[in-house]
Parts: sequence; structure tokens; C-alpha cells
Amino acid sequence: DTEVTQTPKHLVMGMTNKKSLKCEQHMGHRAMYWYKQKAKKPPELMFVYSYEKLSINESVPSRFSPECPNSSLLNLHLHALQPEDSALYLCASSQGGVYGYTFGSGTRLTVV
Amino acid sequence: SQQGEEDPQALSIQEGENATMNCSYKTSINNLQWYRQNSGRGLVHLILIRSNEREKHSGRLRVTLDTSKKSSSLLITASRAADTASYFCATDLNTDKLIFGTGTRLQVFP
Repeated sequence: DTEVTQTPKHLVMGMTNKKSLKCEQHMGHRAMYWYKQKAKKPPELMFVYSYEKLSINESVPSRFSPECPNSSLLNLHLHALQPEDSALYLCASSQGGVYGYTFGSGTRLTVV
Repeated sequence: SQQGEEDPQALSIQEGENATMNCSYKTSINNLQWYRQNSGRGLVHLILIRSNEREKHSGRLRVTLDTSKKSSSLLITASRAADTASYFCATDLNTDKLIFGTGTRLQVFP
């Protein structure tokens, strides 16, 4: 299995809702990432997990809460989001070093 | 934080022509990677060039890296309509941080 699987593909949520994004990989990669991408902009790094531990938080607001239950799973819990948080959320994994990243197809999030 | 600037921002060519995209970055890197993104979808890793390499080829792709000028270029030869996508350079700072450039939108007309 050489894929990163993200669910759901689309999500519409209200500003008072709580929802979660899920990401899964079975390539044995040690690092997993969350990126946020607005339309016609490059992806922006949010969080990095290395060996299931949070290693980088790019000053992301606390309404985004990452979780790494095991080496294959990465979640992003969402609470009290704002309309400006609407974006494509991308998950990626990597073994690091001279290996590239494998990206999922993303979750398109709309906050209403 | 944004590390790389790409130019041109947009490029339109005919099938069969070559497409060249340039990337400039600001700090020392471990390696530089190029990705393709079809509209609204995930990114696909194309090629990685290490900081001690100057040129790398993969099929119709040729990447160069000039660390003294902090710049890289991606050449796609004999382009096809299926190459239509956004292309991003991304710099790996050896800290698990992969930072993307601004991107080039390539349109290849049949």
C-alpha cells in the first residue's frame, strides 16, 4: 500500500460544530504532517508528528487539535472554526531523509 | 512561513513545447523537491535533488540546483495536455519542515 488515505473528502460544518479529519498510511513512514491550502496558494505546514510525537506546531490556533493514536493514523480535531478556516486540508507522510512526501487527496472543508 | 518564490506564476504553452519553471529560496537546504498538483487535489512528488547535486533527470523532467544562487529550475520536455497542473518547489531544511514555494500554474494546450 503506497497511499495516504484521507476521510472525509468533503466536510461542511457550522462554527459551533466539532468534527474530525482522519488520515491513514500503511507504508511504515515515521513522520506524518498536516498542511492547510487556500485556493491558488501553496500548502502551509500546520503540524508534524515524528514517531507518534508532536514535533512541530506552526503556531496553529487551538481550535485545531492534532492527534496521532498510532504510527499509521493521524487525526485533526476541529472545534469552533471560523469561515476563514475553509480550505483544503492535506495530510502527508514521509520516511524523511532523501525520500519525498506522499500526500493524500485532501479534505475540502467549508465552515458556514 | 514561505521559503520559495517561483516564476513564472503562470505559463501557457502548446503540446510538444518545453516548459521551464524557476524557484528561488532563502536559506540553506538539505534537499529541494518538486511536486505537481492537479486542480483541487493532493500533491504528487515528482523529483528530489540533494544539496550536493547539481542536476537530476527523471523521464521528461530535468531539475537543476544552484546552491550558490539559492535557485532551482524544473524543465518539462515535450509537454502534453496531461501535464496541465500547478507545480511547486519545496525546500527541506532537514528539520522535518517541508516548505512550499508560491507555485507555477502550467497550461498545455492540445
